[in-house]
Amino acid sequence: DGGITQSPKYLFRKEGQNVTLSCEQNLNHDAMYWYRQDPGQGLRLIYYSQIVNDFQKGDIAEGYSVSREKKESFPLTVTSAQKNPTAFYLCASNQGREQPQHFGDGTRLSIL
Amino acid sequence: SQKIEQNSEALNIQEGKTATLTCNYTNYSPAYLQWYRQDPGRGPVFLLLIRENEKEKRKERLKVTFDTTLKQSLFHITASQPADSATYLCASAPQSGGSYIPTFGRGTSLIVHP
Repeated sequence: DGGITQSPKYLFRKEGQNVTLSCEQNLNHDAMYWYRQDPGQGLRLIYYSQIVNDFQKGDIAEGYSVSREKKESFPLTVTSAQKNPTAFYLCASNQGREQPQHFGDGTRLSIL
Repeated sequence: SQKIEQNSEALNIQEGKTATLTCNYTNYSPAYLQWYRQDPGRGPVFLLLIRENEKEKRKERLKVTFDTTLKQSLFHITASQPADSATYLCASAPQSGGSYIPTFGRGTSLIVHP
């Protein structure tokens, strides 16, 4: 079945540590996205990529980095510069301007 | 600035009734509105899309309306069931200018009581 796979489901970060969240899709979509969701908040866009080897900052990119070396993969690194990383992180993909986004089941990141 | 807003209070209804959820937008004209369902600990799942030149869309027990005068979209679930209990998100992007990437509302929690 086609879809988006995020791993791990739960992740813990120590102070000063960088952590990387994985996102893989087999939908053959060009565009991929990373969102952050906090309790009672809407989804906030961190980074997005419309094509391989290209990506743009979203509304809250500070403290995060991404890469898009393959069409299927869009990993997100939460760096030590992100002072409040505890949140639910969602990866999505779509094909076309109005097309609905397909989401993974998220990674919940907490601080140790 | 562009805003998309949903009622933050949970909607509690009895099984069999129609649930109606509201999505309001300000300071822009959406090209479309999308509705998603999100269960706890899961990613959102797409339900319906309605474009700015459409008044109504239906899919099984779901109906979405788009009123550009009221700047509002309504999402209806008829003959609601406890399994419909979830958070429902609306999302939209402007017709022109700005980003084509949709902005999401905070979501409204629906609780259907048996």
